[in-house]
Amino acid sequence: DTAVSQTPKYLVTQMGNDKSIKCEQNLGHDTMYWYKQDSKKFLKIMFSYNNKELIINETVPNRFSPKSPDKAHLNLHINSLELGDSAVYFCASSQTPRLAGIYEQYFGPGTRLTVT
Amino acid sequence: AQKITQTQPGMFVQEKEAVTLDCTYDTSDPSYGLFWYKQPSSGEMIFLIYQGSYDQQNATEGRYSLNFQKARKSANLVISASQLGDSAMYFCAMRESGSGNTGKLIFGQGTTLQVKP
Repeated sequence: DTAVSQTPKYLVTQMGNDKSIKCEQNLGHDTMYWYKQDSKKFLKIMFSYNNKELIINETVPNRFSPKSPDKAHLNLHINSLELGDSAVYFCASSQTPRLAGIYEQYFGPGTRLTVT
Repeated sequence: AQKITQTQPGMFVQEKEAVTLDCTYDTSDPSYGLFWYKQPSSGEMIFLIYQGSYDQQNATEGRYSLNFQKARKSANLVISASQLGDSAMYFCAMRESGSGNTGKLIFGQGTTLQVKP
């Protein structure tokens, strides 16, 4: 059973298009995240959702709009794609983090987005 | 300022030997957590080990152990008895208590480890 799944795994599209990436987790977690891994492999958080509510938006352009229809799903919609959006996008989930405790994040397999 | 620094872009180790991957961090939060993740060439991110800032003992998980030196702000990953399957990129990450319930992880640049047969 896949814990965190993302579709599609690969996405190739042209500049200016709109695309979506879907994420689902079956771990019963109530916090989900989107991370972006750039061409140098640097990972940076984009969004964090807790119980379907946006908690973090890390100065991401408003062309990126996450949507959480329920606690198990966090989708990412990207409008007007640009060359610089090419990256691997990871979805992750965890239990609600408290001040102390591990609350490790489980990552999906990633979606490699290529904008031409 | 870089909050998580991994100074070794790439490392080699002979199979069956131990290897240490360095990680230093910078935070003024009294409570924080440190994580190591493995990213094989297939691309997925695999959680390896966690150390809490108040944990008295160094964390261990099978062949992985964390050499936590709080005063030096370092959290080095030690892999014992390296195996060919350990070849991957390794990321150190930190979650600060100041991030509240956001769960925000701050990642280092990563270290690529290659295990030689």
